[in-house]
Amino acid sequence: EVQLVESGGGLVQPGGSLKLSCAASGFTFGDRWMSWVRQAPGKGLEWVAYIKSDGSATDYVDSVKGRFTISRDNAKMSLYLQMSSLRAEDTAVYYCARDLTALDLWGQGTLVTVSS
Amino acid sequence: DIVMTQTPISLSVTPGQPASISCKSSQSLLHTSGKTFLYWYLQKPGQSPQLLIYEASKRFSGVPDRFSGSGSGTDFTLKISRVEAEDVGVYYCMQGIHLRTFGQGTKVEIK
Repeated sequence: EVQLVESGGGLVQPGGSLKLSCAASGFTFGDRWMSWVRQAPGKGLEWVAYIKSDGSATDYVDSVKGRFTISRDNAKMSLYLQMSSLRAEDTAVYYCARDLTALDLWGQGTLVTVSS
Repeated sequence: DIVMTQTPISLSVTPGQPASISCKSSQSLLHTSGKTFLYWYLQKPGQSPQLLIYEASKRFSGVPDRFSGSGSGTDFTLKISRVEAEDVGVYYCMQGIHLRTFGQGTKVEIK
């Protein structure tokens, strides 16, 4: 089955760190760019970062630059988002998505709550 | 940064009636390749977003033909020819020509 499954969300204190994972199956993961998109409670969608198929290029929304790092392990068919210096405004459901510029496949999301 | 502006913010539609959502970008989404990097998504209540339209006017696999996308440059429209109950949710446009930016969303409900 073609799917993406996120994990790693949870409650973290402001200033803390968390690493999200996204496990892919059913397609040639190593051929595809991937993105992270987040959605704060009751708010709209915000693109966070993307990574090229071989991991050689990445980019981020300004609000997370220097704090978040997107990476991948094609052998494990997995995508990651290392988040540090977390702030209350980073509280959101984080989705991974297959990125063909069109985000054509999405996971179910994992909730990150930043609170003391 | 490219700003995406959707109107209206919300829409209440009688089943069987048409609906239309506008999306305007602060910069042209026409690439030198000839492709237009504008996409439409629907997020149904309690679900992850799903792709409806890519490259401004192409329906994604499995999307009913009552959904259509049009526009060019900076002005785009998503039309639903006859709204059905299953079409409720929040619709987002997104640009993909420089990084990715979503519009603020349009909530569609049934009267």
